[in-house]
Amino acid sequence: DAKTTQPTSMDCAEGRAANLPCNHSTISGNEYVYWYRQIHSQGPQYIIHGLKNNETNEMASLIITEDRKSSTLILPHATLRDTAVYYCIVRVAGAAGNKLTFGGGTRVLVKP
Amino acid sequence: DTGVSQDPRHKITKRGQNVTFRCDPISEHNRLYWYRQTLGQGPEFLTYFQNEAQLEKSRLLSDRFSAERPKGSFSTLEIQRTEQGDSAMYLCASSLLGRTDTQYFGPGTRLTVL
Repeated sequence: DAKTTQPTSMDCAEGRAANLPCNHSTISGNEYVYWYRQIHSQGPQYIIHGLKNNETNEMASLIITEDRKSSTLILPHATLRDTAVYYCIVRVAGAAGNKLTFGGGTRVLVKP
Repeated sequence: DTGVSQDPRHKITKRGQNVTFRCDPISEHNRLYWYRQTLGQGPEFLTYFQNEAQLEKSRLLSDRFSAERPKGSFSTLEIQRTEQGDSAMYLCASSLLGRTDTQYFGPGTRLTVL
């Protein structure tokens, strides 16, 4: 699986949008971009994934650049409960894919 | 959909003892994964099953580790002769093989080896 690069940490203000960048310059055509987050001492929580189109669900939006070499996870209105480590992962999906390879992630601190 | 469950949530054991963890996946999910996470690091893949078959094992999975999924439903992970270096969070995830095969994680079992 391709590697990803994320900022080590970032702060954001409660109620504001949080934009989390991820670089995946070596992504292959059949690899999806997945985002997970992990709140302290809990298992990782799935947020969203996408292939090349922008995606939105009840938790977040995922913006993927046209060349697919980078993406941004947007939390539209950050709350204190969004404080967590956010992982950006690229992975082949379906029968050909299996494990998730986690990097260091971005430690996000939402401040009042 | 009750989510992935793991038991126990916490385990403290003495070095040299054997421990066994259980994972119950989301109903009808045919893939099940085990990961290990040490303090300050992201989860690392250990092994995964598709139905009953164990399809891949990481080199992190030493001979002291064994995982089973006998009926294609729940899975167990056993560690024999535990060492202090085995102290970690052991995470289980499950997925339904399909177009995207999204993995959903359980709460984990935190192992402390004294």
